[in-house]
Amino acid sequence: DQQVKQNSPSLSVQEGRISILNCDYTNSMFDYFLWYKKYPAEGPTFLISISSIKDKNEDGRFTVFLNKSAKHLSLHIVPSQPGDSAVYFCAARRGSNYKLTFGKGTLLTVNP
Amino acid sequence: EAGVAQSPRYKIIEKRQSVAFWCNPISGHATLYWYQQILGQGPKLLIQFQNNGVVDDSQLPKDRFSAERLKGVDSTLKIQPAKLEDSAVYLCASSPLGPGLGTEAFFGQGTRLTVV
Repeated sequence: DQQVKQNSPSLSVQEGRISILNCDYTNSMFDYFLWYKKYPAEGPTFLISISSIKDKNEDGRFTVFLNKSAKHLSLHIVPSQPGDSAVYFCAARRGSNYKLTFGKGTLLTVNP
Repeated sequence: EAGVAQSPRYKIIEKRQSVAFWCNPISGHATLYWYQQILGQGPKLLIQFQNNGVVDDSQLPKDRFSAERLKGVDSTLKIQPAKLEDSAVYLCASSPLGPGLGTEAFFGQGTRLTVV
C-alpha cells in the first residue's frame, strides 16, 4: 500500500522555466509534508516542508503548495537551474511520530 | 555542524554472509533512523530509535536484521545472513526531538550494499 505517490518518474525542463513536481497521498492522518532532493551517491537533503495548517510555503526559488481536500502537494521551482537536476522525493509524516513515508521520487533534469 | 556519518560507503558480500553498518548521528539528535532504499524506490523505514529505545521496527525483517543504538548515540545495523534482495542503499538519518519546523531528518550519504 503506497501511501505517498509520485506518479511522474521523470521531468525535463529548460533552464529558467518553472519546474512543477507533484505528489499525492492517501493517508488523511498525515499532517506534515517534506521535499527532499537527492544527488547521485549522496543521501537525501531536506529542501522545504509544509504543515497541514498551511496551504503554501515559500523559500527562495522553491514553493510548496498543499491541497488537503485533494490530498495533493506540489513543489514549484522558479526559475529552474541546471544545478537543480536531481531526484526529488516527497515525504509525509503524522503527528509527533517522526517516521517519514516517502514516494518513489521524480528525476528532474534541467537543460541549459 | 558535522552531518550524519556512515561507514562503510560501499560493501560487496556474498549471499549468506553477514554485514554491519555504522552510523554516528548529528550531535544532540535524539531520534535516529535506518532506511533501506532499493533502486528505483523511495527510502523505506527499517527502524527508528528515540535515544536508545526502539520506537518503530515494524518493517525490520527481524529474522535477519538487527540494530542497536549504543548509549543513545551511535548505531549499528546488521544483516545475517544476507540475501540477494538485501542489495540496496542503507541510509541513516537523525532528527532533534520536538514537534514543528526544524524537526526534519538529516541523512547520511548511505552505504551501498551489493549481495552477489
